[in-house]
Amino acid sequence: AQSVAQPEDQVNVAEGNPLTVKCTYSVSGNPYLFWYVQYPNRGLQFLLKYITGDNLVKGSYGFEAEFNKSQTSFHLKKPSALVSDSALYFCAVRPFSGGYNKLIFGAGTRLAVHP
Amino acid sequence: GAVVSQHPSWVICKSGTSVKIECRSLDFQATTMFWYRQFPKQSLMLMATSNEGSKATYEQGVEKDKFLINHASLTLSTLTVTSAHPEDSSFYICSAELAGTYNEQFFGPGTRLTVL
Repeated sequence: AQSVAQPEDQVNVAEGNPLTVKCTYSVSGNPYLFWYVQYPNRGLQFLLKYITGDNLVKGSYGFEAEFNKSQTSFHLKKPSALVSDSALYFCAVRPFSGGYNKLIFGAGTRLAVHP
Repeated sequence: GAVVSQHPSWVICKSGTSVKIECRSLDFQATTMFWYRQFPKQSLMLMATSNEGSKATYEQGVEKDKFLINHASLTLSTLTVTSAHPEDSSFYICSAELAGTYNEQFFGPGTRLTVL
């Protein structure tokens, strides 16, 4: 079965420190990979995506993610966390096979950045 | 660009009534839209794929007679929760697919439904 795993329910980090939110996936073919952020009672905001090319992808608000094909991972990173980064983060995968256009979401990781 | 709106942003209704939620792509045409449901502190669960001019495709376990989807135009899909009950209370999020090389989905801001 195709799936996306975000192994951490919550990540705590001090403001100014680097942060990592982990994501691994199990899908067929070469997937498209996405990160979204959700603030309370809001929809999802797009952060970044990997389609092809350079494995290091830079996105909105200083976030970046590295695609690692051998480890089937797409971890989200930021060099210096801000309190305003505190939110719920979702990793999503779109398998690139047979015209499949659905997104498979991870369970989400809550990021808490402390002053 | 690629903005998706939802209306209403929140709604409170009595048990047994029906509620309609609209999803609009404001600056692009969307042949395909998706409807998701999100319970508190949980991930998004895909309910159905809405295709303009044809019947929606429902995910396993989602009652099509309960959650009516109409994709009448290339910029509008509606989700009607019929005979709503308290267990239907949830956060409903739609997305619209921008046709192109990568067919990205753009998400609406969500609708909070509370059934009393």
